[in-house]
Amino acid sequence: QVQLVQSGSELKKPGASVKISCKASGYTFTNYGIHWMRQAPGQGLEWMAWINTNTGNPTYAQGFTGRFVLSLDTSVSTAYLEISSLKAEDTAVYYCAREQYDSGWSFESWGQGTLVTVSS
Amino acid sequence: DIQMTQSPSSVSASVGDRVTITCRASQGISSWLAWYQQKPGKAPKLLIYSASNLQRGVPSRFSGSGSGTDFTLTISSLQPEDFATYYCQQTNRFPRTFGGGTKVEIK
Repeated sequence: QVQLVQSGSELKKPGASVKISCKASGYTFTNYGIHWMRQAPGQGLEWMAWINTNTGNPTYAQGFTGRFVLSLDTSVSTAYLEISSLKAEDTAVYYCAREQYDSGWSFESWGQGTLVTVSS
Repeated sequence: DIQMTQSPSSVSASVGDRVTITCRASQGISSWLAWYQQKPGKAPKLLIYSASNLQRGVPSRFSGSGSGTDFTLTISSLQPEDFATYYCQQTNRFPRTFGGGTKVEIK
């Protein structure tokens, strides 16, 4: 079955960087794009970015350019989200999700989420 | 960007009640709309895709309707496990924006 497994919680200081992984299994990794969402404490879901797992080409939402970088390692079916120059307001749960083209491009499969806490 | 506006932001209801949540897009998105359910500490779960298609495994008390700019998620008879937050999302174009969420609480 399709599974997305994310890396564990991170505690970082302001100004540091963090790299979150999203390891896929149960399907051909390069056939489906991966999306990333942020959910700040007590807040709603915010779409951040998408990466074409076939070409490696990313698309970012406004507000998630510059410090946010998506990447892939197709040899291990893993997508990555790296955030640099961390700020307190980056404290959130970050989710990856796989789009499903035959379900209206909805997100049928999600990772379990990775909590990133930015605190001095 | 396409803005998604959900209402109400919260609703108090009892088991067995019919609950309706609306979602409005700032521009037409045809039927490119999904609904998700999220429980505390958990990842969202897909309920409805393409506005009205029930995801496999989702109980039939959930239904979706609408097209263009106005959409509805209906829970025909609220069950204890349905108390959660619900989000709409447009899948028409990037960025794939979400609505602000509707929290369904126990009355």
